[in-house]
Amino acid sequence: GAVVSQHPSRVICKSGTSVKIECRSLDFQATTMFWYRQFPKQSLMLMATSNEGSKATYEQGVEKDKFLINHASLTLSTLTVTSAHPEDSSFYICSASSSGGGEQYFGPGTRLTVT
Amino acid sequence: AQSVTQLDSQVPVFEEAPVELRCNYSSSVSVYLFWYVQYPNQGLQLLLKYLSGSTLVKGINGFEAEFNKSQTSFHLRKPSVHISDTAEYFCAVSVSGGYNKLIFGAGTRLAVHP
Repeated sequence: GAVVSQHPSRVICKSGTSVKIECRSLDFQATTMFWYRQFPKQSLMLMATSNEGSKATYEQGVEKDKFLINHASLTLSTLTVTSAHPEDSSFYICSASSSGGGEQYFGPGTRLTVT
Repeated sequence: AQSVTQLDSQVPVFEEAPVELRCNYSSSVSVYLFWYVQYPNQGLQLLLKYLSGSTLVKGINGFEAEFNKSQTSFHLRKPSVHISDTAEYFCAVSVSGGYNKLIFGAGTRLAVHP
């Protein structure tokens, strides 16, 4: 149980285009979803937290207009990187939680490369 | 504010040797503590967690960790490592009672050599 999927696993896009990453909880309802960014050989940095049906809460320094997060249902959250640039290339990981019990279930990650 | 310090960025060890990966946290309130493992180009897998109760927590793959409140530590141990344990290990903390926002340490690269 508690499986989280991400799609796509890898994406390459041209500079200036937008790309959408999906995060799905497959066997539970995720009231809260989190989006992280991980640079090579570094830790995960929380970008934003989203609760179903509410606007996402972004961490300091994360551009809301560049990283659009939508949590429209209890099983799906999307991250859209708008007008992507090479510096947005990174590994994006989502996680989901069904309650306030302190445990998150992580997706396998999406490798974004902007050329 | 909470923070997590992983004292070793890399830990080389020979196969079948014991290993300890160190983690210290800073928090003024009660916390939940986690260890995650990340294999190359993959997401995170939960090894073990401490929410309450016994301070010695056993996880998957033969790992265990001990919560020490007085030393604000949550070190991860395994008595005998395998080549397959080579990975990045992250210690994380979340504030209990909240919506479980996780703060991660910088990670420790465990390299198991034959």
